[in-house]
Amino acid sequence: SQQGEEDPQALSIQEGENATMNCSYKTSINNLQWYRQNSGRGLVHLILIRSNEREKHSGRLRVTLDTSKKSSSLLITASRAADTASYFCATGLGGSARQLTFGSGTQLTVLP
Amino acid sequence: EAQVTQNPRYLITVTGKKLTVTCSQNMNHEYMSWYRQDPGLGLRQIYYSMNVEVTDKGDVPEGYKVSRKEKRNFPLILESPSPNQTSLYFCASSRRPQETQYFGPGTRLLVL
Repeated sequence: SQQGEEDPQALSIQEGENATMNCSYKTSINNLQWYRQNSGRGLVHLILIRSNEREKHSGRLRVTLDTSKKSSSLLITASRAADTASYFCATGLGGSARQLTFGSGTQLTVLP
Repeated sequence: EAQVTQNPRYLITVTGKKLTVTCSQNMNHEYMSWYRQDPGLGLRQIYYSMNVEVTDKGDVPEGYKVSRKEKRNFPLILESPSPNQTSLYFCASSRRPQETQYFGPGTRLLVL
């Protein structure tokens, strides 16, 4: 099974509302990252949070990390139609791991 | 402009006909990797490379080969494609394995 699992699988909201997506993982991590993918295109990095950080902000994005619960959340405030995309979390596993492990994503639809 | 390029972007082929998907990055990144993306499965890593002449298997390497003769290039080779390799393929690069990944635009492959 995958290391990172996003929840919900799909989310539909109105423009201007906030969108929250969650990611749970199983083993210790060095960092956790969030990526956005517009339909069929390459993933774009949004934010990286390290295991010793609890919260990070970037523009309208807020990411939290709770290592005790092995979970992270991505909050997009004041959403726009252009935020419609799939959002993936990716975990950098602890130890000598040389990979990122991606979840299966949350499909966000922002309705105008 | 910093970028990862892939060619071709779309490819239709037949079972058993060898093909190569090229990947090139202009950011002097040491780490490069290939992923495949299938519906409901997220991104799965096929192979990665820590540096020139250093490659290793990811999670789903069967049926694929790679080479890293130059730092900027990391081609993906399918010696004898099969229909179960029909997928969307992404190349990515980064300075280090678990840092921000920069993705190419993707190659959509259909094997008949």
